[in-house]
Amino acid sequence: AQSVTQPDIHITVSEGASLELRCNYSYGATPYLFWYVQSPGQGLQLLLKYFSGDTLVQGIKGFEAEFKRSQSSFNLRKPSVHWSDAAEYFCAVGAVNTGTASKLTFGTGTRLQVTL
Amino acid sequence: EPEVTQTPSHQVTQMGQEVILRCVPISNHLYFYWYRQILGQKVEFLVSFYNNEISEKSEIFDDQFSVERPDGSNFTLKIRSTKLEDSAMYFCASRAGTGSVSPLHFGNGTRLTVT
Repeated sequence: AQSVTQPDIHITVSEGASLELRCNYSYGATPYLFWYVQSPGQGLQLLLKYFSGDTLVQGIKGFEAEFKRSQSSFNLRKPSVHWSDAAEYFCAVGAVNTGTASKLTFGTGTRLQVTL
Repeated sequence: EPEVTQTPSHQVTQMGQEVILRCVPISNHLYFYWYRQILGQKVEFLVSFYNNEISEKSEIFDDQFSVERPDGSNFTLKIRSTKLEDSAMYFCASRAGTGSVSPLHFGNGTRLTVT
């Protein structure tokens, strides 16, 4: 069964500082990997996705993530955080070789707080 | 940009009552989903729907739950007899295409409170 671990429940960074949110996945084949962001009272917005090819993927709002198969990781990074980035971030894995509707399994989320 | 829309944004109901959560997926999407997020917990898959039938469902999706696509635009989740533990944020999502590479697009959710 697929699973996702986000080891950091809560992270606080200063505005302008760099950010890395950790994500480790467990899946028996090549996964589809996603990062979603959830602002308070809002839905889940897709930041970026990895399906295949280049292991460094660029997303919206200046975020990027790197797929490392050897470490089963898909960490999210941003070189300079803005106060508006404060939100909950979810890593998710989807099955590649299912014939059905690519159900996503989510991690427990990392809440990002940005201090001014 | 097209969006998944969900109504209502907040629903309060009494235990034992039926509730219907409504979603309008993105118009050319083919796959539809319901997820839920109990306060403070992870987002959990409930059910996926394709070609007018359930593709997959989780163990959470028991006989109290049902989904329907009554017309060409709406996708509903019905809880027949709500329990306190059904209180959660319910997210609808949709996905385009016939392969598995297109991402899910989520609505803003309906917060269901069962009293």
